[in-house]
Amino acid sequence: EVHLLETGGGLVQPGGSLRLSCAASGFTFNTYAMSWARQSPGKGLQWVSTISGRGDSTYYADSVMGRFTISRDNSKNTLDLQMISLRVEDTAEYYCVRGPGLAVTGQGSRYFYYGMDVWGQGTTVTVSS
Amino acid sequence: QSALTQPASVSGSPGQSITISCTGTSSDVSDYKYVSWYQQHPGKAPKLMIYDVSDRPSGVSNRFSGSQSGNTASLIISGLQAEDEADYYCTSYTSTSVIFGGGTRLTVL
Repeated sequence: EVHLLETGGGLVQPGGSLRLSCAASGFTFNTYAMSWARQSPGKGLQWVSTISGRGDSTYYADSVMGRFTISRDNSKNTLDLQMISLRVEDTAEYYCVRGPGLAVTGQGSRYFYYGMDVWGQGTTVTVSS
Repeated sequence: QSALTQPASVSGSPGQSITISCTGTSSDVSDYKYVSWYQQHPGKAPKLMIYDVSDRPSGVSNRFSGSQSGNTASLIISGLQAEDEADYYCTSYTSTSVIFGGGTRLTVL
């Protein structure tokens, strides 16, 4: 069974740091791009970051660029999100997600396609003093 | 970054069909070829319902379908059931990002 399990959420003060982890199982991890998405209380879904299957390409939302770092360990089937300089507005449920698809054109550029087809249950990050 | 606009809410009675629209505001949104739709029940993780505009993942009811016209994608739910009451989100892609719509609350009357 395909499964994603997030850990690492908690309460942190503004300006603090936190590292989220996601353990993947039930599929060939290194063949899938992986993402983090989040949802603030009572708000909509927001994409945070995506990393390619081999880990050689990373993408970030403008709101987290320079503060968050996505990484993966394909030998351990794990996905991480290192978050620094946390802000109150980073408070959210953070989801580990399989996908979207990431393909390469004949010219060597990459593009997203398909969807995000497996979601973890989420881990809660609260940024508050 | 680009934005996708959805109606805040839609409603319908059991057995009816409803449509949720998703309109892009930027010409950079990957020509809208790869729109996907997600269903989220309260307190639950989202579920992929439609990908690449109109394809359904295995296990998703054929009451759910997708279409696109220009820069507007649509999710159509036919034969509404009580269990369809949920929030629905569209997504599309730029060359470097994933864009979510603001979400639509579907109420089954």
